[in-house]
Amino acid sequence: QSALTQPASVSGSPGQSITISCTGTSSDVGAYKYVSWYQQHPGKAPTLMIYDVSNRPSGVSNRFSGSKSGNTASLTISGLQAEDEADYYCSSYTTGSTLVFGGGTKLTVL
Amino acid sequence: QVQLVQSGAEVRKPGASVKVSCKASGYTFSDYYIHWVRQAPGQGLEWMGWINRNSDATNYAQKFQGRVTMTRDTSITTAYMELSRLTSDDTAVYYCARDFSNWNLDYWGQGTLVTVPS
Repeated sequence: QSALTQPASVSGSPGQSITISCTGTSSDVGAYKYVSWYQQHPGKAPTLMIYDVSNRPSGVSNRFSGSKSGNTASLTISGLQAEDEADYYCSSYTTGSTLVFGGGTKLTVL
Repeated sequence: QVQLVQSGAEVRKPGASVKVSCKASGYTFSDYYIHWVRQAPGQGLEWMGWINRNSDATNYAQKFQGRVTMTRDTSITTAYMELSRLTSDDTAVYYCARDFSNWNLDYWGQGTLVTVPS
C-alpha cells in the first residue's frame, strides 16, 4: 500500500487561509468517507483534527475544515494562527481493512 | 479522562525483539480497537496494524507481517505490540492509538522510542 500524496510544505501569514491536499486512489480516498487529518507538533503525539472527511472532534476549532473530491481530500485552515504551525497528516481507510497515511505536510506560519 | 500510557524507551540489539505496552484508562477498554503506528526519526507516520475489541482478530500492514504480533489483555486494560528480528531501520517512536470509529484515531499514547543501534 503506497502512502497518500501530500505536499511537503505549505506556508501562510497570520489570518490567511491555507489548504493541504491529500491524493490517494480509488482503493482508499476515492472509495470511502473515512479520511482523517492529524496535527503533530514537534516531539508530541498526533492529534485528531478532522474525521470522516469533514467532521471535527469536540474541542477542535471551526477554523479547521475538511472536504473530498474524487481521490483527493483537502484540509483547510482559515484565520491562520501561529499555533497552527505543525506537521499535518492525512489518513484513509483502504480495502482490506487497513489504514494508510500521507507523507505529511509541514505548515509554516510566516 | 481517556488516557493511553505507554511503556518506556527501549534499546535492542539487531536481531532481538521488543514488546511495547499501552495501558488504557478512562473508558471501556473492550469497546474499541487499538492501532499501532510508528514514526522513524524525521519521518512521517507509518501504520503497523490493529487488534480488534475481542482480541480474536488482527490485521497487520504487509510490511510487518511475520514480524509483528499485537495482543491485548482486557483484565488489565493493556495492549501490546511485539516486533521481532529488529534492524536499525526499526528505530522509531511507536504509538498506540484508540480507534473510535471507521479507522479514526482519537486518542494516542505518548509514544515509546525504540532504538536499534546499527
